[in-house]
Amino acid sequence: EDQVTQSPEALRLQEGESSSLNCSYTVSGLRGLFWYRQDPGKGPEFLFTLYSAGEEKEKERLKATLTKKESFLHITAPKPEDSATYLCAVQAWEEYGNKLVFGAGTILRVKS
Amino acid sequence: DVKVTQSSRYLVKRTGEKVFLECVQDMDHENMFWYRQDPGLGLRLIYFSYDVKMKEKGDIPEGYSVSREKKERFSLILESASTNQTSMYLCASSLSSPTGYGYTFGSGTRLTVV
Repeated sequence: EDQVTQSPEALRLQEGESSSLNCSYTVSGLRGLFWYRQDPGKGPEFLFTLYSAGEEKEKERLKATLTKKESFLHITAPKPEDSATYLCAVQAWEEYGNKLVFGAGTILRVKS
Repeated sequence: DVKVTQSSRYLVKRTGEKVFLECVQDMDHENMFWYRQDPGLGLRLIYFSYDVKMKEKGDIPEGYSVSREKKERFSLILESASTNQTSMYLCASSLSSPTGYGYTFGSGTRLTVV
């Protein structure tokens, strides 16, 4: 059974204090690992897709990395507007459907 | 701007009512999904559809059914609403792609069953 575990459950940072969020996964055959951002009361918004170990992607203050067992979302010099819930999901190779299995998310709060 | 639109942002229904949640996408996506999101449990897949009139059970299908008569529309039906179905419901769509593709989500429907 495919599983995703995110840690920590919640993270409080001061503005400018860099940190990382962790996503550990087990999947039968990884087709892709996805990061989403979700603001309160809204649907998740796509950030990154990673396909193979060693791959990295960046967007503004965010950088996602992937190994064979986990992914990290590094946040450099965060700002209050980075406060959100960050979701990690994996997709296995399947005949059809493109299902994603999600972790429970990390709630990030950045204080000024 | 591509969109997934859920018909209601907030709903309050009574126990035992039949509830319809509607989702429409304008991206010509093959795949559509219904998830529910609860604190501490994350997103859990209820049903998905990979083609018109095709449907597959997800991880928690009990108490729910779905309908996909047209490619752009995917409906979630609560046959007899119960209080444990109070939740945030999220619809999503995606292309079928051999290299994987992210979902586009709707804004969600917060359903309260009283």
